[in-house]
Formats: sequence, C-alpha cells, structure tokens
Amino acid sequence: SAVISQKPSRDICQRGTSLTIQCQVDSQVTMMFWYRQQPGQSLTLIATANQGSEATYESGFVIDKFPISRPNLTFSTLTVSNMSPEDSSIYLCSVVSEAIYGYTFGSGTRLTVV
Amino acid sequence: GDSVTQMEGPVTLSEEAFLTINCTYTATGYPSLFWYVQYPGEGLQLLLKATKADDKGSNKGFEATYRKETTSFHLEKGSVQVSDSAVYFCALGGYTGFQKLVFGTGTRLLVSP
Repeated sequence: SAVISQKPSRDICQRGTSLTIQCQVDSQVTMMFWYRQQPGQSLTLIATANQGSEATYESGFVIDKFPISRPNLTFSTLTVSNMSPEDSSIYLCSVVSEAIYGYTFGSGTRLTVV
Repeated sequence: GDSVTQMEGPVTLSEEAFLTINCTYTATGYPSLFWYVQYPGEGLQLLLKATKADDKGSNKGFEATYRKETTSFHLEKGSVQVSDSAVYFCALGGYTGFQKLVFGTGTRLLVSP
C-alpha cells in the first residue's frame, strides 16, 4: 500500500495564525482526502483534493478557512487559517488510487491552538 | 445519506476474553465496509475490509462479516491482548473505490492483563 508522510506531526500555534500541513505520498494517487478528528470524536471529511482542479469541500468547511493545494499526484497541503482554539484537532490526509484498494491514512497532525 | 453506528465505549475486557464491537450501517447502495484501528498517539491503520455481501474480512485475529440482511459489520476477536487496546472505527465507502469514507464514532477498547 502507499506510504504517506505527513508533516508536521504536531504543533502548538497562537490564535489568529495559520498552519500549513503537508502530505507526501510515495506513489501517484488519484484522490486525496483531508479529515479532521476533534478531541474524542470521529473523523469528519473536510475536502477532497484532485490534481489540477479546485478542492471539493464538505458542508461546514470553506476554502477561506481551509485552503488546499494539490500541485501534482503525490503531494497536497492543507492550511488552517486564522486559527482559534476550536481548531485544535488531529488533521489527517488519506489517499486512494486505482493501484491501491483501500484507503491509506497519514499519521496525522496534532494541532493545539492557544 | 450514508451513516455508520457503532456501540458506545469504552469496552473493557481482560486479556484472552472474546471481543465483539457492533457496527451497523445505512447506505443507499452496496458500499465496501472497513474497520480501522487507531493506537494511542497514532494515525489510522486499516484493520480489515469487505467489499460485498457475505465477504469476511480478517487480519491479526480480527474478523468481520458483511451482512446485507442485517446491515451489519460486527468486529470480533476470539482472544484479545493488552496490545489490542486502541480505538476502533467502522467505516463505509468506496462504491467505486474513489469516494470518501463515512466513519462511525469509534469504540475505545481497553484490555487489562
């Protein structure tokens, strides 16, 4: 299966600032997903990122708050903008491709906003 | 829309006990079903999957059978170990293999020696 490198693994940020999370995959993948896992909660999809097109956001998530880039088939970034303590969560990227059946997840970025 | 319901946790067991974590789903079609495990401080790992009715997924002693008639995908293990302590997520998705996963709320398993 694909190997995903997600960075940073954790960070503590001041409110009002922004953090960019990187997701690097060791093979070309068709689709990448960004999820949020709030403390003690399940995973909620933020958006789907396809190479060469705008990301598709789920209800409740907007591009201004969570801009996403997908410059090629092995890389994506998620930015959490103008952070507040409510953004404290684990953010995970996930990939699926024709060559891989199943969904592989990165190890996650544990974000704390103070 | 599609949804997944898991039993509330935590589930507390002694080592070598039998484990069942219930998972039921609501779906408009016939999705694939997954169990993911999240160990403390780590990301999600695929534990097992089933792609069609009556399929049984298995891995590391864990099993789950895709039951269309009861819309269920219960996770079982005959003898749990302390190292199985983790949060387990049931999920559905992948009608065509390229769609998002819908997750249950997760069930925390605590195994004591």
